[in-house]
Amino acid sequence: GIQVEQSPPDLILQEGANSTLRCNFSDSVNNLQWFHQNPWGQLINLFYIPSGTKQNGRLSATTVATERYSLLYISSSQTTDSGVYFCAVHRDDKIIFGKGTRLHILP
Amino acid sequence: DADVTQTPRNRITKTGKRIMLECSQTKGHDRMYWYRQDPGLGLRLIYYSFDVKDINKGEISDGYSVSRQAQAKFSLSLESAIPNQTALYFCATSDLGNTIYFGEGSWLTVV
Repeated sequence: GIQVEQSPPDLILQEGANSTLRCNFSDSVNNLQWFHQNPWGQLINLFYIPSGTKQNGRLSATTVATERYSLLYISSSQTTDSGVYFCAVHRDDKIIFGKGTRLHILP
Repeated sequence: DADVTQTPRNRITKTGKRIMLECSQTKGHDRMYWYRQDPGLGLRLIYYSFDVKDINKGEISDGYSVSRQAQAKFSLSLESAIPNQTALYFCATSDLGNTIYFGEGSWLTVV
């Protein structure tokens, strides 16, 4: 089946820093989503981005479907950005998740 | 009110007991899913259903069963719980090709 790999697995940054999280996938996909899991376990939709670029405040995402990767950019990090970021790809009626990037933003 | 509601949110149960996790949604979606999350392993698909009469196994269905009682309801059962089923369980819904929406998760501990 399709493989989804996220990097880096862990990232520690100072408040105010910028970061780029990457999601690689091994085969063509129908769609792709980014999620943020907060420290309480809730999964929050960030972007639904099968291709192209989207922005929402300090967050933006780019998916290059032909090259099988997606990037999530976080600018001017805040402590509330801490948590785990997952990408999920839609393929053959299934939704497959990567193992996530754990982000720690230090005050 | 939440679009996807899971109950219970937290449960501690003993080995060998039967437990059911329930999920209901108000999105009107046909597709519903149960995922399990373990530390460092992301989310893994247990079962999914595309309508009331269509239920499919995911990658880790052993030890679990499901029931799609209605379009809006999808329950997950552990017939005889074991400690390695201790995890965070998520229910989710989606419409064809669109965004997936998650419930708030159910923390299950099997002792």
